[in-house]
Amino acid sequence: DAKTTQPNSMESNEEEPVHLPCNHSTISGTDYIHWYRQLPSQGPEYVIHGLTSNVNNRMASLAIAEDRKSSTLILHRATLRDAAVYYCILRDTGNNNAGNMLTFGGGTRLMVKP
Amino acid sequence: EADIYQTPRYLVIGTGKKITLECSQTMGHDKMYWYQQDPGMELHLIHYSYGVNSTEKGDLSSESTVSRIRTEHFPLTLESARPSHTSQYLCASTSQGETQYFGPGTRLLVL
Repeated sequence: DAKTTQPNSMESNEEEPVHLPCNHSTISGTDYIHWYRQLPSQGPEYVIHGLTSNVNNRMASLAIAEDRKSSTLILHRATLRDAAVYYCILRDTGNNNAGNMLTFGGGTRLMVKP
Repeated sequence: EADIYQTPRYLVIGTGKKITLECSQTMGHDKMYWYQQDPGMELHLIHYSYGVNSTEKGDLSSESTVSRIRTEHFPLTLESARPSHTSQYLCASTSQGETQYFGPGTRLLVL
């Protein structure tokens, strides 16, 4: 899977929007962009994923650059419960990736201040 | 809401003991995974399975072994635990779809 680059940490104020960036300059045409987050003392949980178009769900929005070399996870109103490590992961579904494996990097540790 | 369970949640054990970490999912998922994560560090895939009687080693070398006799059950075994095995072990599963569901993890401390 192609590599992603994320800032090590970010801070946000409660009730404000948060934009978490991810660079993936070597992304291939069949790579999906996935975001997971890991709350303290828990296993990771799925947040959102997309291929080319921007995506919205109840947890967040995903904005994908036109050239797909970067993406941004948007939390519209950060709460204290959103403090977690956010992972941006590319997963290739175009080849024989029958394992559906995810390769986790270091992620971005989001701190939310009250 | 994902239905994937891991037991025990916490385990403290002495060196040389044999241990089995349990992982079960009730979603009928074919693919299951074990990850290892040290505190504050990245997750590393150590084992995965495509389905019953299928097991493969992951990216990170591990002295543990796994088995997949039933779809819903994917236990991980350490024949002789050592302090270097101290870590958090996370189990996950996925169906034909894109989403991977994780269990709550087992925190292992080997004295």
